[in-house]
Amino acid sequence: EPEVTQTPSHQVTQMGQEVILRCVPISNHLYFYWYRQILGQKVEFLVSFYNNEISEKSEIFDDQFSVERPDGSNFTLKIRSTKLEDSAMYFCASTGGNSPLHFGNGTRLTVT
Amino acid sequence: AQRVTQPEKLLSVFKGAPVELKCNYSYSGSPELFWYVQYSRQRLQLLLRHISRESIKGFTADLNKGETSFHLKKPFAQEEDSAMYYCALRKNSRLTFGEGTQLTVNP
Repeated sequence: EPEVTQTPSHQVTQMGQEVILRCVPISNHLYFYWYRQILGQKVEFLVSFYNNEISEKSEIFDDQFSVERPDGSNFTLKIRSTKLEDSAMYFCASTGGNSPLHFGNGTRLTVT
Repeated sequence: AQRVTQPEKLLSVFKGAPVELKCNYSYSGSPELFWYVQYSRQRLQLLLRHISRESIKGFTADLNKGETSFHLKKPFAQEEDSAMYYCALRKNSRLTFGEGTQLTVNP
């Protein structure tokens, strides 16, 4: 069964540095998402992406965040200048439309 | 705005006992509801969606619009059911999750 893949599985960075989290959605899917989960808290929606543009974003997704689909397969989340409170598990997900979301294994981001 | 509430953060039962994980939602339109499961150190996996009305791994969930609930049930819990369970509601492109319930099934 095809899966959403995310790299790296764990990223450690210093406060103020830029990070890029990478995702390869399922190949025939059209809708892409980023979610995050701060330790001990619930899974929170960040952004959805369709047809090469953001279709919806949450209040968490401020100017420090950006998403990109640089080629036909990758979907990236960039955090421009990381803060301590950005430490979390970041999940990528994709769907073909009305089908349920398929999630990746996540990237654990630790900001020191 | 849509909201999903899972009142129990932790739930512990013995193997073979019935289990019910509660989920309530608030949403003004017709909801599309899901249950996702996360086994230890694994990805979020779809367990159920209300429109399919199927039973997966012995779990069922019925949408009760009157009570705005979508509780997850299983008549006989197994040790391998121990996991984190998330109820979620989808509106347009956004999936909103509840806080999650950590289910532990003891031998």
